[in-house]
Amino acid sequence: EIVMTQSPATLSVSPGERATLSCRASQSVSSNLAWYQQKPGQAPRVLIYDASTRATDVPARFSGSGSGTEFTLTISSLQSEDFAVYYCQQCSNWPLTFGGGTKVEIK
Amino acid sequence: EVQLVESGGGLIQPGGSLRLSCAASGFTFSSYTMRWVRQAPGKGLECVAGISGSGGSTYYADSVKGRFSVSRDNSKNTLFLQMNSLRAEDTAIYYCVKAGAGFYMAVWGKGTTVTVSS
Repeated sequence: EIVMTQSPATLSVSPGERATLSCRASQSVSSNLAWYQQKPGQAPRVLIYDASTRATDVPARFSGSGSGTEFTLTISSLQSEDFAVYYCQQCSNWPLTFGGGTKVEIK
Repeated sequence: EVQLVESGGGLIQPGGSLRLSCAASGFTFSSYTMRWVRQAPGKGLECVAGISGSGGSTYYADSVKGRFSVSRDNSKNTLFLQMNSLRAEDTAIYYCVKAGAGFYMAVWGKGTTVTVSS
């Protein structure tokens, strides 16, 4: 099983600032990596797939990068609606596994 | 618009069984792999089962293998999850998910809550 590790667990950011979230895979997943956003009481929604492709209707301030075992989700200028929990998921091998999440909170 | 609507959750005693359903609309259901992803209270996400578009291939997490069974009825655009021998640790919100091209989770339902408790 591929283990996904996200850091930090919590990120405190002021509105308008840049946020950088990290995700590491225990073995190479090539570019088969997705990012999801989950707000309280809601289902997750996909933001990024194939490591760097934005999903439909996702604002351009969200970007993904990386390949192999190291990945990054960057939110260029945080808006109030971006405070949420973010998960990465490897899409390379079954069982499909998620990281433990990074909570982005208001500083 | 793609819609996934789960049903069948509830309170069940340990050792009991439940069958979850997911009604899909807005896309060609038989063309897509479907999955069940769960989230225990205050915890992260776990993909517990998947099924190919034809239903010919199924996949399970080790935590549910031998107890859960995923199936689909393409004539009724419905996905199922049969859950047997339920344990307290199966308590979670269960989401029905449409797969994207590849293995990512493209569209999520709102979820149905399963509580296993005596």
